[in-house]
Amino acid sequence: AQSVTQPDIHITVSEGASLELRCNYSYGATPYLFWYVQSPGQGLQLLLKYFSGDTLVQGIKGFEAEFKRSQSSFNLRKPSVHWSDAAEYFCAVGASGANNLFFGTGTRLTVIP
Amino acid sequence: EAGVAQSPRYKIIEKRQSVAFWCNPISGHATLYWYQQILGQGPKLLIQFQNNGVVDDSQLPKDRFSAERLKGVDSTLKIQPAKLEDSAVYLCASSLVARSYGYTFGSGTRLTVV
Repeated sequence: AQSVTQPDIHITVSEGASLELRCNYSYGATPYLFWYVQSPGQGLQLLLKYFSGDTLVQGIKGFEAEFKRSQSSFNLRKPSVHWSDAAEYFCAVGASGANNLFFGTGTRLTVIP
Repeated sequence: EAGVAQSPRYKIIEKRQSVAFWCNPISGHATLYWYQQILGQGPKLLIQFQNNGVVDDSQLPKDRFSAERLKGVDSTLKIQPAKLEDSAVYLCASSLVARSYGYTFGSGTRLTVV
């Protein structure tokens, strides 16, 4: 069965600093991997997704993520964080042919000036 | 393109009462999902529709939850009777085709059961 672990519940970074949010997944085959962002009172917005091919995936808002099969990880990165990036970030895994996504518990990002 | 519309945004009810949520997906999107997001957790799928048929409702607590998607467009999710543990945000999402993972989520309905 699929599962997703986001080990960091809350991360605080300074504006302009780099960011890395961790995500580890459990799935027998090659997973489909996603990162979503949720601002307060809003729905989830897709940042990026990985299905196959290049393991470094570029997304919106300057985010990128790298799929590392050997580590079962799909960490999200951004070289320079902006105050508007403060939100909740969810990693999710889906299986080929399956109907739904399995989400992690989320990481809340706080950005300080 | 209009997004996924949900109403109401907030709802507070007493336990054992009933409540209904409404979702209007993006025009032309055949697949519709309802997710439950409990505070501190990630969203969990409750039910998936393909047009007006149910594809997956294995995680739906059918003793108290029901959902329908008449005419393959709008959908309603109902809880009757509500329990305290049903307090959550209920998210609706839609996609053009099933299994495409091109989900668009609505803003959700925050339910508080007291």
